[in-house]
Amino acid sequence: DVKVTQSSRYLVKRTGEKVFLECVQDMDHENMFWYRQDPGLGLRLIYFSYDVKMKEKGDIPEGYSVSREKKERFSLILESASTNQTSMYLCASSLSRREKETQYFGPGTRLLVL
Amino acid sequence: DQQVKQNSPSLSVQEGRISILNCDYTNSMFDYFLWYKKYPAEGPTFLISISSIKDKNEDGRFTVFLNKSAKHLSLHIVPSQPGDSAVYFCAARKVTSGTYKYIFGTGTRLKVLA
Repeated sequence: DVKVTQSSRYLVKRTGEKVFLECVQDMDHENMFWYRQDPGLGLRLIYFSYDVKMKEKGDIPEGYSVSREKKERFSLILESASTNQTSMYLCASSLSRREKETQYFGPGTRLLVL
Repeated sequence: DQQVKQNSPSLSVQEGRISILNCDYTNSMFDYFLWYKKYPAEGPTFLISISSIKDKNEDGRFTVFLNKSAKHLSLHIVPSQPGDSAVYFCAARKVTSGTYKYIFGTGTRLKVLA
């Protein structure tokens, strides 16, 4: 079974703090993704990566950056946390095979920025 | 610009009856559609998918129908069970930057009443 783990389930940070969210997958997947989930807005893509050291902006990259130094690990960085970044953050990974590609999600990190 | 829409935020169904969840999309370049199920405090899990070249895919109690001309897909669950109570997200895939990007709907909360 594919396993995607996220470093924290719950996190409380103060405005202006630098926040690191870590994601690790154990199935040698090429693609990794960071989403945030907000009520009424569904899942919105922040950044994704299709290879080590490669990254692409998603739909809402402002205020975020990412790092992928190793294939299994994809980090989301909030350079200076703000209250509007309070959200559920979900990491996902997938293979690059064309057919029947699905994403596997981690359990999520609920971040509260005070 | 919401490219994938789930217009019903919630749905209640009696146990044993059919649940029909709907999803509309606007981009004709989507080549693959997926449904995910999400329980509280967990990440979404893949449920069923369909290629844009098909109009139906069935897996046990779950069937997804795709109407390309109407840009509409639906998920049928028959018979519905209390354990099906969750939030369901539809997602559409498109090729971007040489890899795949997924656009999610806002979700429909299904409640199956015993």
